[in-house]
Amino acid sequence: DQQVKQNSPSLSVQEGRISILNCDYTNSMFDYFLWYKKYPAEGPTFLISISSIKDKNEDGRFTVFLNKSAKHLSLHIVPSQPGDSAVYFCAASAQTSGSRLTFGEGTQLTVNP
Amino acid sequence: DTAVSQTPKYLVTQMGNDKSIKCEQNLGHDTMYWYKQDSKKFLKIMFSYNNKELIINETVPNRFSPKSPDKAHLNLHINSLELGDSAVYFCASSQDRVFSGYTFGSGTRLTVV
Repeated sequence: DQQVKQNSPSLSVQEGRISILNCDYTNSMFDYFLWYKKYPAEGPTFLISISSIKDKNEDGRFTVFLNKSAKHLSLHIVPSQPGDSAVYFCAASAQTSGSRLTFGEGTQLTVNP
Repeated sequence: DTAVSQTPKYLVTQMGNDKSIKCEQNLGHDTMYWYKQDSKKFLKIMFSYNNKELIINETVPNRFSPKSPDKAHLNLHINSLELGDSAVYFCASSQDRVFSGYTFGSGTRLTVV
């Protein structure tokens, strides 16, 4: 029962263009969402998060959008840079479940120079 | 000064052996976790400890036993290793007061031959 899904295993974009990574969830109790970035042979690192009371959070080139009615969130990276090439994980937590994070399966982003 | 450190980074061992993976965090976080990333790249929670107390114990074989001597350390001991235990194991930590996601270690790639 995969409660957080990232349906695109990979995404390739040109440097300078926008990257859009998508994530869907099924558990309506989720109220906090995060994106992590992972390089090979390293642990995931926190990128950006959003609470369910918001529909948008921006940090530099990274913006996360949350559509609660559709149970969908997306991460926008603009402009994309070659150093952004990594696996991006979407994660969600519910206040009722404490600090447990449920992860999606990840999307491999490749930014071509 | 690594925030969450795991040792060893790579571990190759034979079936039937017993091995341990160590994890230490210097962030003063209250909660620590073990996640397993399998061949399909899913990150799945195994255990969580809060101030040395086990709070999450997913459906994991009894051969896996976490040990937390203090809140800065969470070790994972695995008995009678099997081929299917081959995976990357990530340690992580988080703070309780304002949950803002995890800080991950760099992972331990376990290969059972």
